[in-house]
Amino acid sequence: EPEVTQTPSHQVTQMGQEVILRCVPISNHLYFYWYRQILGQKVEFLVSFYNNEISEKSEIFDDQFSVERPDGSNFTLKIRSTKLEDSAMYFCASSEQYRATEAFFGQGTRLTVV
Amino acid sequence: KQEVTQIPAALSVPEGENLVLNCSFTDSAIYNLQWFRQDPGKGLTSLLLIQSSQREQTSGRLNASLDKSSGRSTLYIAASQPGDSATYLCAVKGDNFNKFYFGSGTKLNVKP
Repeated sequence: EPEVTQTPSHQVTQMGQEVILRCVPISNHLYFYWYRQILGQKVEFLVSFYNNEISEKSEIFDDQFSVERPDGSNFTLKIRSTKLEDSAMYFCASSEQYRATEAFFGQGTRLTVV
Repeated sequence: KQEVTQIPAALSVPEGENLVLNCSFTDSAIYNLQWFRQDPGKGLTSLLLIQSSQREQTSGRLNASLDKSSGRSTLYIAASQPGDSATYLCAVKGDNFNKFYFGSGTKLNVKP
């Protein structure tokens, strides 16, 4: 069964460092998303991406964050200068159509900023 | 802003019991609602997607219902098993946006 794959599963980084979280969405999907879950809190939306551009973003997704689809398969989230409060589980998701179809989530990358 | 609430926060039942998990949302202008399962430290597994025009969806022992006008959805699990132990999340997608609002989840423990 097709699945969304995220790497790495766990990343530890020092405050102020740049990190790139990687995702391989399901191959025929056109819409891509990043969500995050801070420990003990709700899963919250960060950004959606379609046709090589951001279609929606939340207030959390400030200038420190960027997304990219560098090739036909990968979808990345970059955090330029990490802060302690960026520590969270980051989930990538993809869907085939704009809103009507199921969204499939990856297993997540746990980011720990020290 | 859409607020999604799940009750109860935790539930412990003996194996074999039928159970109901509840999800409520404040803005009834939704496009669809999706139920997920989350195992500890793991990703989100999609269980059921129910469109705003639908009243219910079924998959195996799971049945999700939606009452859009009252802002409620329920997930019914029949004949629960220890392998059903996980956190169940409800997520709502609004009419005008392509993003989910998640509830806090119900942590289910099914005792053998």
